[in-house]
Amino acid sequence: GQNIDQPTEMTATEGAIVQINCTYQTSGFNGLFWYQQHAGEAPTFLSYNVLDGLEEKGRFSSFLSRSKGYSYLLLKELQMKDSASYLCAVRRGSARQLTFGSGTQLTVLP
Amino acid sequence: DADVTQTPRNRITKTGKRIMLECSQTKGHDRMYWYRQDPGLGLRLIYYSFDVKDINKGEISDGYSVSRQAQAKFSLSLESAIPNQTALYFCATSDSRTSGGITDTQYFGPGTRLTVL
Repeated sequence: GQNIDQPTEMTATEGAIVQINCTYQTSGFNGLFWYQQHAGEAPTFLSYNVLDGLEEKGRFSSFLSRSKGYSYLLLKELQMKDSASYLCAVRRGSARQLTFGSGTQLTVLP
Repeated sequence: DADVTQTPRNRITKTGKRIMLECSQTKGHDRMYWYRQDPGLGLRLIYYSFDVKDINKGEISDGYSVSRQAQAKFSLSLESAIPNQTALYFCATSDSRTSGGITDTQYFGPGTRLTVL
């Protein structure tokens, strides 16, 4: 199956930490991507995980557990500009197509 | 200048009309993709092309066709537009060669907002 599940909406306060979870069916797994998308704009690449563990990039980190079919995106020191939709995308098999989740709309409040 | 460009950025058309959306890239990538995005449904793949002679259907290809005129150009056509094709359309590109340990990261154009009345 192709199901990718992530929460529809989350709200957090400026300066705080937020964790956005993503679960997926593990068959044919070949990598997981996180994208950020501001309203009406193109998705932009944030992070990539293919092995278990944590990848850190400045204020953003992404974690993967392949056996559990689970990933999260961790955003630290939240800023107002982090208000956006965060898309989890799974790549499967040799065809390397991406299947996207519906996205998590994050609102950062002052 | 943007690496991936899409034209037009906005289009309003009527049911039954033929529409072409164009995508160009200067990234030198070999792979190109067309997606549509609808509220609450995320991005869904329409067609993808791994090189000029390779075209593949995606998840929702019915009602659409594509042409890969050159490595840098990939166009999407709606032969006879219908209202449920109203959506935001994105073109994306990727490089099949590994860079920085990652292969095939997709980079998106700015999108075309299409409204079919």
